[in-house]
Amino acid sequence: AQSVAQPEDQVNVAEGNPLTVKCTYSVSGNPYLFWYVQYPNRGLQFLLKYITGDNLVKGSYGFEAEFNKSQTSFHLKKPSALVSDSALYFCAVIDTSGTYKYIFGTGTRLKVLA
Amino acid sequence: EAGVAQSPRYKIIEKRQSVAFWCNPISGHATLYWYQQILGQGPKLLIQFQNNGVVDDSQLPKDRFSAERLKGVDSTLKIQPAKLEDSAVYLCASSPGQGAYEQFFGPGTRLTVL
Repeated sequence: AQSVAQPEDQVNVAEGNPLTVKCTYSVSGNPYLFWYVQYPNRGLQFLLKYITGDNLVKGSYGFEAEFNKSQTSFHLKKPSALVSDSALYFCAVIDTSGTYKYIFGTGTRLKVLA
Repeated sequence: EAGVAQSPRYKIIEKRQSVAFWCNPISGHATLYWYQQILGQGPKLLIQFQNNGVVDDSQLPKDRFSAERLKGVDSTLKIQPAKLEDSAVYLCASSPGQGAYEQFFGPGTRLTVL
């Protein structure tokens, strides 16, 4: 069955340090992978996606993510965290062997400390 | 470009009452999604439309929830009768379709069932 896991409920990082938010997935076919961010009292915003091609994808606000097929992971990264990056981050996957339904993870709260 | 519009933003009702939410997607977007997001969880897909046809409604509680997308543009989601466990944020999203799978979300409707 299609699933996505975000093993950390919360990640704390000091401003200026690199950050990583983890995501692993399970699908039958090839995955399409996405990251979204949710700021307080606002809807989700698309950050980046992996469909095909280069395993390292770059997105909005300086974020990037690396697709690792052997580890079935799609971790979100940023070289230098900002306090304004503090938000709730969701990983999502589409299983291209099925109905192309989106499955979202449970979310990881990122807290960047000044 | 205008974003996804939703109304109302907040709604408080008593159990067994009915409620309806409205969504107007980004102009030209063929695919429209309704999600339920319970506090502390990731969004759960309720129904997906492609133009005015239903692509997936496998997680829609059809005994009480209904949705329609007339003319392939705006959409309404109805709950009748509401239960306490329906308290959540209801998110509407749209995507262009045709190979573009990133979703654009509205601000959501926060429903409280007393």
